[in-house]
Amino acid sequence: NAGVTQTPKFQVLKTGQSMTLQCAQDMNHEYMSWYRQDPGMGLRLIHYSVGAGITDQGEVPNGYNVSRSTTEDFPLRLLSAAPSQTSVYFCASTTAGTANEKLFFGSGTQLSVL
Amino acid sequence: TQLLEQSPQFLSIQEGENLTVYCNSSSVFSSLQWYRQEPGEGPVLLVTVVTGGEVKKLKRLTFQFGDARKDSSLHITAAQTGDTGLYLCAGASLRGTYKYIFGTGTRLKVLA
Repeated sequence: NAGVTQTPKFQVLKTGQSMTLQCAQDMNHEYMSWYRQDPGMGLRLIHYSVGAGITDQGEVPNGYNVSRSTTEDFPLRLLSAAPSQTSVYFCASTTAGTANEKLFFGSGTQLSVL
Repeated sequence: TQLLEQSPQFLSIQEGENLTVYCNSSSVFSSLQWYRQEPGEGPVLLVTVVTGGEVKKLKRLTFQFGDARKDSSLHITAAQTGDTGLYLCAGASLRGTYKYIFGTGTRLKVLA
């Protein structure tokens, strides 16, 4: 059982470049989300989705786009990368039945924007 | 501004000591979760508390949810070096679609 898979593990971009961080889960979870983790800031919610075709903004959505065309995949797009987006990005998923569900995390993508 | 503030931000203690980590908010949550994160990995769930005033124990770890469901604490008895890591609290929003908001984190180092 693969769980939540994130690719790539590491990425270096130049300012202004675009890229997509991939996230896939094989647990048939309705809920998927993206977080960024910066030193001293814990995890901050970027975007989340409660099912295919449904997305919503989290705490820090600016500069990021998401879509949810399938239950399994939830890609995060940076259209024009900025140095402020240098961070570690985590994708997480869970069932959407109640607010008590365990979040399953991927192993993270370390992104550096020069 | 994050909705969940954790204190302390950093904690370095000797093996065998006790410690308490706090997670505070002005918002009410449906549930409060505690996660532990190791370097290079994603967070892993330790416990979920749901009812105001609820206390849960996980071996040497005791978790409590505040009566008003706005705050929580994590108490570790007789800390061990294996407890070293980043501890994160996370609150689930009360509103219809569930958002899991994380706290600022407490980095714990237990020295042998």
